[in-house]
Amino acid sequence: DVKVTQSSRYLVKRTGEKVFLECVQDMDHENMFWYRQDPGLGLRLIYFSYDVKMKEKGDIPEGYSVSREKKERFSLILESASTNQTSMYLCASSPPTPGNNEQFFGPGTRLTVL
Amino acid sequence: AQSVAQPEDQVNVAEGNPLTVKCTYSVSGNPYLFWYVQYPNRGLQFLLKYITGDNLVKGSYGFEAEFNKSQTSFHLKKPSALVSDSALYFCAVREQGSGGYNKLIFGAGTRLAVHP
Repeated sequence: DVKVTQSSRYLVKRTGEKVFLECVQDMDHENMFWYRQDPGLGLRLIYFSYDVKMKEKGDIPEGYSVSREKKERFSLILESASTNQTSMYLCASSPPTPGNNEQFFGPGTRLTVL
Repeated sequence: AQSVAQPEDQVNVAEGNPLTVKCTYSVSGNPYLFWYVQYPNRGLQFLLKYITGDNLVKGSYGFEAEFNKSQTSFHLKKPSALVSDSALYFCAVREQGSGGYNKLIFGAGTRLAVHP
């Protein structure tokens, strides 16, 4: 089975701190994604990556950056955390199309910024 | 613009009754459609997908979904609901033109509550 792991389930940070969220997948998938989930808004794509060192902005990239130095690892960085970044963050991976089309999700990190 | 709509924030159903969670989509061309489920404090789990072929798709945990091209809908169904089906359900469509990136567009989610 595909396994996507995230470094923390719960995280509490202070405003202005630099925050790193880590995601690792074990299925050699090319594509990896970072979403934030907020009630009533569903999942919104922050960034995605289709190869090592390659990244593309999603729908809400402001205030975030990403890093993909190895194929299995995709990091989300909050350069200076703010209270409006309090949210659930979900990482996902998938192979490129054609082939399996679904994305495989990690358990999520619930981030609170005080 | 490409989009997915889940018109109901919450669906309530009694255990043993059939359930339906609604989803409509707007994309050009042939859609690739998905349903995911999220249990409390968990990530999303894949339930089923429609790529091509039979309009009735069967998935995990006894769920199925019906693709209706004329109504641009992909409703999730189950003949007999269980209390353990209570969760948040997301419909998604693959973004047209995203090539090999396999980007998905998600609906806002529908909370299913199954009462004993």
